[in-house]
Amino acid sequence: GENVEQHPSTLSVQEGDSAVIKCTYSDSASNYFPWYKQELGKGPQLIIDIRSNVGEKKDQRIAVTLNKTAKHFSLHITETQPEDSAVYFCAAIRGGFQKLVFGTGTRLLVSP
Amino acid sequence: DTAVSQTPKYLVTQMGNDKSIKCEQNLGHDTMYWYKQDSKKFLKIMFSYNNKELIINETVPNRFSPKSPDKAHLNLHINSLELGDSAVYFCASSPWVAGDGTDTQYFGPGTRLTVL
Repeated sequence: GENVEQHPSTLSVQEGDSAVIKCTYSDSASNYFPWYKQELGKGPQLIIDIRSNVGEKKDQRIAVTLNKTAKHFSLHITETQPEDSAVYFCAAIRGGFQKLVFGTGTRLLVSP
Repeated sequence: DTAVSQTPKYLVTQMGNDKSIKCEQNLGHDTMYWYKQDSKKFLKIMFSYNNKELIINETVPNRFSPKSPDKAHLNLHINSLELGDSAVYFCASSPWVAGDGTDTQYFGPGTRLTVL
């Protein structure tokens, strides 16, 4: 089955800096890769996703890149703000009603 | 305008008791899920229902039984609660667009279960 590894487990940056979170997956048939943000006491919220027919996707300060050959994908947050502080999860899934497999999470702390 | 809602938000109970968590979505989605998040924040799927039919059933003790009375509701009943069941349980739902299980999942706020 699918296995998703996520690094780093914690990431501290200064406000205005960029943050990068990396994930690798094991199932080459995986074709959908969402990223979720979980704030304290809340459920995970989708922030961006990418499908395997696209190499990069951007939404304002957030971008995701996908390298299918290397089986890894990354989340890039530019101009970080204190409200970006949260736990971020990557995930991967392939078709055929397989389960969405999550990474272990990255705690991002943005200091003002 | 709540999308995916769960009740209760907190549940504290004694070992051996039976409890239920309810989930409702008003997004018109066809698929609903239950996830468990442990103390280390690891998220793992437990069950998935599509139009009231069970499609994913992970290795979960038989004490856990999901029930979907209609496609907008998915409840989780837990019998004979154990200390190890303490966790945050999340309900999620997704639309039927891709039609292969890869549609975006939207999560509820979670239910924190504490077993004493």
